Amino acid sequence: NAGVTQTPKFQVLKTGQSMTLQCAQDMNHNSMYWYRQDPGMGLRLIYYSASEGTTDKGEVPNGYNVSRLNKREFSLRLESAAPSQTSVYFCAARQGKDTEAFFGQGTRLTVV
Amino acid sequence: AQKITQTQPGMFVQEKEAVTLDCTYDTSDPSYGLFWYKQPSSGEMIFLIYQGSYDQQNATEGRYSLNFQKARKSANLVISASQLGDSAMYFCAMREPPGAGSYQLTFGKGTKLSVIP
Repeated sequence: NAGVTQTPKFQVLKTGQSMTLQCAQDMNHNSMYWYRQDPGMGLRLIYYSASEGTTDKGEVPNGYNVSRLNKREFSLRLESAAPSQTSVYFCAARQGKDTEAFFGQGTRLTVV
Repeated sequence: AQKITQTQPGMFVQEKEAVTLDCTYDTSDPSYGLFWYKQPSSGEMIFLIYQGSYDQQNATEGRYSLNFQKARKSANLVISASQLGDSAMYFCAMREPPGAGSYQLTFGKGTKLSVIP
């Protein structure tokens, strides 16, 4: 039972390059989330998807786009990476409002 | 405005002692939920405990319990009989009010707990 799987686990990008972070869940949960974690800042929500076909901005959406491809998959795209996007990115999935979110293992992204 | 406040950047506790990690929150919604997560140095996020605003009793899960004081808007995590493996970052999170059919989780900045042998 994999839960939430993120790929890749590590990535180094040059400023201006683009990439897509992939996330897939096998728990049949409706809601999915992308967070970034920076030292001293906790986890900040980038985008979320309440259900298949819907996406909404979170606290820090600038510089990112997302796609909810189907119920299982929720991808995060950086169109033109900047050093400020150096961070650890977490994908999460959640079934209902009073249930916990299950997190992927994280992607450590460095933009040079 | 910050909705979740964890005022202790770092805490130390002696092995086998109990420790309380503070969390205060701000919401005007009568229906909310509070979560605690643990993040060891390996980086994964581990769910520990949940408290709903309408729950009559404080939540407990093994060695973890929540000291929920609704009037003070605080939801402190109590870890009893600390173990070396409890050394980690601990995050408090709050479920946002309903909107757009989803319920966001807003996290605090975390508390780094170090257990001393």
